[in-house]
Amino acid sequence: EAQVTQNPRYLITVTGKKLTVTCSQNMNHEYMSWYRQDPGLGLRQIYYSMNVEVTDKGDVPEGYKVSRKEKRNFPLILESPSPNQTSLYFCASSLGLAGGRGTQYFGPGTRLTVL
Amino acid sequence: AQSVTQLGSHVSVSEGALVLLRCNYSSSVPPYLFWYVQYPNQGLQLLLKYTTGATLVKGINGFEAEFKKSETSFHLTKPSAHMSDAAEYFCAVRREYGNKLVFGAGTILRVKS
Repeated sequence: EAQVTQNPRYLITVTGKKLTVTCSQNMNHEYMSWYRQDPGLGLRQIYYSMNVEVTDKGDVPEGYKVSRKEKRNFPLILESPSPNQTSLYFCASSLGLAGGRGTQYFGPGTRLTVL
Repeated sequence: AQSVTQLGSHVSVSEGALVLLRCNYSSSVPPYLFWYVQYPNQGLQLLLKYTTGATLVKGINGFEAEFKKSETSFHLTKPSAHMSDAAEYFCAVRREYGNKLVFGAGTILRVKS
């Protein structure tokens, strides 16, 4: 089954404790992206990757890191989480540009709480 | 820069009634437009998209949307609401450069029996 998986689905942590949220897709998609969803703000892009070893900042990259060492995986790293990073996080992938082949497929989400 | 405005953070309709969720966009280039649906505790699922060609786009679950360039709108409609349509709906536009989507704030649809 074609899908995007994220782990963990729920995470409660404390300020400053490094964490990683994993994202994996089995569709051989080049493009992957991380979003955060906050009430009243919709989804905002954090980082994206056009292909292996190619990443770039989205709209709200501060406090986050990513890496793309393999095509299927795109982990999101919070080196020193803070309470304002409490949010619902989504990973997405697509084959190409959003308009044509690039329909983005979303993972189930990771609900992060930073105390 | 591209942006999306969804009018109404909450919409309530009776079962069987028309569903109309409003979306206006701004874009300096011909837009690629999307509607996504998010059911409780789930990720986003693509309902439909407009890229080029026919301005009336049909999607899944009986939804459709019409691209109106003169009004910069891409409203989502469904003739008859079903209880299973209760969810949050997001309108999005593709950014001018790169494969980025800009999302609206979302509209929560409530369907009353």
